[in-house]
Amino acid sequence: SAVISQKPSRDICQRGTSLTIQCQVDSQVTMMFWYRQQPGQSLTLIATANQGSEATYESGFVIDKFPISRPNLTFSTLTVSNMSPEDSSIYLCSVASGGSSYEQYFGPGTRLTVT
Amino acid sequence: DQQVKQNSPSLSVQEGRISILNCDYTNSMFDYFLWYKKYPAEGPTFLISISSIKDKNEDGRFTVFLNKSAKHLSLHIVPSQPGDSAVYFCAASNIQNKLIFGAGTRLAVHP
Repeated sequence: SAVISQKPSRDICQRGTSLTIQCQVDSQVTMMFWYRQQPGQSLTLIATANQGSEATYESGFVIDKFPISRPNLTFSTLTVSNMSPEDSSIYLCSVASGGSSYEQYFGPGTRLTVT
Repeated sequence: DQQVKQNSPSLSVQEGRISILNCDYTNSMFDYFLWYKKYPAEGPTFLISISSIKDKNEDGRFTVFLNKSAKHLSLHIVPSQPGDSAVYFCAASNIQNKLIFGAGTRLAVHP
């Protein structure tokens, strides 16, 4: 399985500011995903990020709020823009294993607290 | 709407006994099911999966059972060990290969 790292591991941010989360993979992968886990809740897919194309956002998530970059096959960023306390969550990136997206491997997550 | 449901938020099991975690789903188009384990401050770790064309998949102490007619799957851990204490998420893959997760079940294995 791929080794995935995320930066920062945690941050406390003020309302109205933006935070960019980085996701680095130790091997080239086609499909990368960004999830959010709000306190006490399950993981919710924010968007799918494929290299060379625009990210595909799930219902309820928009590019202006969560812009994503995917400059190459080992790296992606997720920005949480104009943050509010409701954005306090764990943000996770994941990659699909091999040629299938069925099995996904997750990074350690970024714990974001917005005050 | 919750397409994947884990109705038990927590489960407590004695070490050495069997742990059974349950998951129900509503969408008959799901074609792949997975279980993930999550420790605090870590990302979910893939545990075991099963294709919708099978009814059982086994990997060491972990077995997943799928009952398509009941839209139900379960994860059996036997024997349970204290290191198995974690939150377990059931997930289903839809036709677009996107994972939909349940709310999770917190398993506590006590000596």
